[in-house]
Amino acid sequence: QSALTQPASVSGSPGQSITISCTGTSSDVGGYNFVSWYQQHPGKAPKLMIYDVSNRPSGVSDRFSGSKSGNTASLTISGLQAEDEADYYCSSYTSNTTWVFGGGTKLTVL
Amino acid sequence: EVQLVESGGGLVQPGGSLKLSCAASGFTFSGSAMHWVRQASGKGLEWVGRIRSKANSYATAYAASVKGRFTISRDDSKNTAYLQMNSLKTDDTAVYYCTRTPLGYWYFDLWGRGTLVTVSS
Repeated sequence: QSALTQPASVSGSPGQSITISCTGTSSDVGGYNFVSWYQQHPGKAPKLMIYDVSNRPSGVSDRFSGSKSGNTASLTISGLQAEDEADYYCSSYTSNTTWVFGGGTKLTVL
Repeated sequence: EVQLVESGGGLVQPGGSLKLSCAASGFTFSGSAMHWVRQASGKGLEWVGRIRSKANSYATAYAASVKGRFTISRDDSKNTAYLQMNSLKTDDTAVYYCTRTPLGYWYFDLWGRGTLVTVSS
């Protein structure tokens, strides 16, 4: 199972919006609405930000939103804040009853 | 407090074995599927494998990179999951995280802090 494809890095200024893409195949992202997104700060464990494509767990800011079209899922962060600077990973359940992660995207807040 | 705590990491020689533990507290461990995810230094997350609950026959699944070498088990009486790693390779060097998927869901909502495994001679 190949890793999902994410851009290596994205950047934006405070207050702006950014979108991170996550491209897979019909055997993972395109085949199931089980895409989730994780935020990871250096030296910390990942934190769930979005589940089932577009749902936010309790306690996660509504500045974070998710969507999916075909084999590509997206995470959008609006109103960028300094604390959003982190690595972001997408994940999907697959037809092999396994899970796969994206390669990760480093978000820099300028 | 709802938490997962990994232990058992350390330095091991190539070809050696190591067993990691993941102690759960604050939630109904027996009803959750438990997973292991690893992260090599400076690299991305890699799903390693999972074990389902007793209701789902403790079914296991593994990533191709570890299948046949790693085994996941659990002891619901101790609220603990395990990762037995055999025939270790230098590429297995990583921080190993324990995480769970809630019953009926496919996302990782709770993570431990991780334990470092270093495979080196």
